[in-house]
Amino acid sequence: TQLLEQSPQFLSIQEGENLTVYCNSSSVFSSLQWYRQEPGEGPVLLVTVVTGGEVKKLKRLTFQFGDARKDSSLHITAAQPGDTGLYLCAGNAGGTSYGKLTFGQGTILTVHP
Amino acid sequence: GAGVSQSPSNKVTEKGKDVELRCDPISGHTALYWYRQSLGQGLEFLIYFQGNSAPDKSGLPSDRFSAERTGGSVSTLTIQRTQQEDSAVYLCASSSPGGLGYNEQFFGPGTRLTVL
Repeated sequence: TQLLEQSPQFLSIQEGENLTVYCNSSSVFSSLQWYRQEPGEGPVLLVTVVTGGEVKKLKRLTFQFGDARKDSSLHITAAQPGDTGLYLCAGNAGGTSYGKLTFGQGTILTVHP
Repeated sequence: GAGVSQSPSNKVTEKGKDVELRCDPISGHTALYWYRQSLGQGLEFLIYFQGNSAPDKSGLPSDRFSAERTGGSVSTLTIQRTQQEDSAVYLCASSSPGGLGYNEQFFGPGTRLTVL
């Protein structure tokens, strides 16, 4: 069974601060996705990373996939209250398990004005 | 275009009753997934349908849970003899594996199930 350990579980910061969320596994994933979920809604895809060492930027968000494709990080620069939400990483093992995503436990981010 | 829709949005039931949750995926998506989410937690995989293949039921927690997908589109998740520990948000997602991208899943808003 593949597991994704996501940390920290909770993050409470002030507007303007930077933060990093980590997603780690002992298993290799063919791709890894980050989702953001707001209360009462389903998760929404932010980004997919597929190449070891890949870095993707989405405005103030920077996503990195580890060289060995076992870990990933999400870095937010100058956080804003609108960034508040639940952030989830999800790994796709590929192969015969292609359709299934393994989700981390999530990071609840609160950005205070 | 229309996203994934789920109904009902909220369901309150009594312990021991059966419930049915419905999911309408994005038109043309061949893959459909059901997940369960406890408050503020990650998603627990339940079942996965892909085209005409036999569904992957490896995540169903007990034989009280079942799901079907009719005509390769709408899906129904059924929970028989509900228990209080079944209370959670049930999320449905659909995707188009093999197309552009890497199996990005599009989620519905979920059904919040409360078992009293």
